[in-house]
Amino acid sequence: DTEVTQTPKHLVMGMTNKKSLKCEQHMGHRAMYWYKQKAKKPPELMFVYSYEKLSINESVPSRFSPECPNSSLLNLHLHALQPEDSALYLCASSQVGSEKLFFGSGTQLSVL
Amino acid sequence: KNEVEQSPQNLTAQEGEFITINCSYSVGISALHWLQQHPGGGIVSLFMLSSGKKKHGRLIATINIQEKHSSLHITASHPRDSAVYICAVRETSGSRLTFGEGTQLTVNP
Repeated sequence: DTEVTQTPKHLVMGMTNKKSLKCEQHMGHRAMYWYKQKAKKPPELMFVYSYEKLSINESVPSRFSPECPNSSLLNLHLHALQPEDSALYLCASSQVGSEKLFFGSGTQLSVL
Repeated sequence: KNEVEQSPQNLTAQEGEFITINCSYSVGISALHWLQQHPGGGIVSLFMLSSGKKKHGRLIATINIQEKHSSLHITASHPRDSAVYICAVRETSGSRLTFGEGTQLTVNP
């Protein structure tokens, strides 16, 4: 299994909603990443988890809250988002220290 | 100025044409990646290079470390090659990938 699975594929939420994005991989990767991608722009790194511990937070607003409950799962909890947070949210994983990243298909998020 | 510059930004080709996408960077790197992103979002890693040349099917990637330049070539292009191609580098001093702006490739039948 060389897949990174993200759910849901699409999400529409209001600014007062609380929702979560989910990412799962079963490749034994111990590094997992959240990226945000606006239309026609490259991905921007948000968070990195290494061995289930948060190792990088790229000064992301607290309305985005990551969680890594185990080595296969990565969540991104969303609360009180703004319309400008509408974007494609991509999850990726890798072996720790490896260059090769495996990306999921992303969750297209619209905040109304 | 971006640390990673790609050219062209947009490229339209006819099926069967030979395609070249270029990537220049301004920092010392430990690795360079070529990624493919289809409409709908998913990103696929095509190549990871630290020197020389790699080939996979109709795709060839080269890197010149001295000139800080890499190229991605597609031979006998096909409409299914239509996608955004992204160059990304990992700086020798950093743990993050720095992405180029991407090249939108459209191959017409």
